[in-house]
Amino acid sequence: QVQLVQSGAEVKKPGASVKVSCKASGYTFTSYGISWVRQAPGQGLEWMGWISAYNGNTNYAQKLQGRVTMTTDTSTSTAYMELRSLRSDDTAVYYCARLYGVTTGPFDYWGQGTLVTVSS
Amino acid sequence: SYVLTQPPSVSVAPGKTARITCGGNNIGSKSVHWYQQKPGQAPVLVIYYDSDRPSGIPERFSGSNSGNTATLTISRVEAGDEADYYCQVWDSSSDQRVFGTGTKVTVL
Repeated sequence: QVQLVQSGAEVKKPGASVKVSCKASGYTFTSYGISWVRQAPGQGLEWMGWISAYNGNTNYAQKLQGRVTMTTDTSTSTAYMELRSLRSDDTAVYYCARLYGVTTGPFDYWGQGTLVTVSS
Repeated sequence: SYVLTQPPSVSVAPGKTARITCGGNNIGSKSVHWYQQKPGQAPVLVIYYDSDRPSGIPERFSGSNSGNTATLTISRVEAGDEADYYCQVWDSSSDQRVFGTGTKVTVL
């Protein structure tokens, strides 16, 4: 069965960076893209960007351009999301999600989420 | 950027029908997906490509999309349907994926 297992919770100081991992299993990793979605406390879902696990192409949310980098390691079927220059409003649960099919497709499987807390 | 607007809340009695709207400019020309999120859990896909249901999702969940409004309909609502629901599209003009503002469904 398809599973996306994320790394554990993180506490960071303002200005620091965080890197969250998402290990995929149960399918051919390079056949699907991975998106990252975050959710601030009590707020809605915010799309952060997408990476092709096939060729590493990326597309980031305009709001996060320059602060976020998404990568993959095909040898371990793991996707990574790094966010730099953290601010208090980056405090959120971060999810990875598999993109089903083509560009217009849905997110059909989700990781369990990783809480990132930014606090001095 | 493309904006998707949902009502903040919908209340429905058990056994009745809940309709959750998702408004966007000419959304009928886009593919709409719907997610259910219960407290403390990751979202779950309940409708994709406007009206398709993933395996394991009850037939009580259905979707439609036309003009400027997409709609998720939950028939014969059960207590277990109480959750937040989000619509989502890919905006081709900006090449960005967008989520709706979210709707909290309360079962009375």
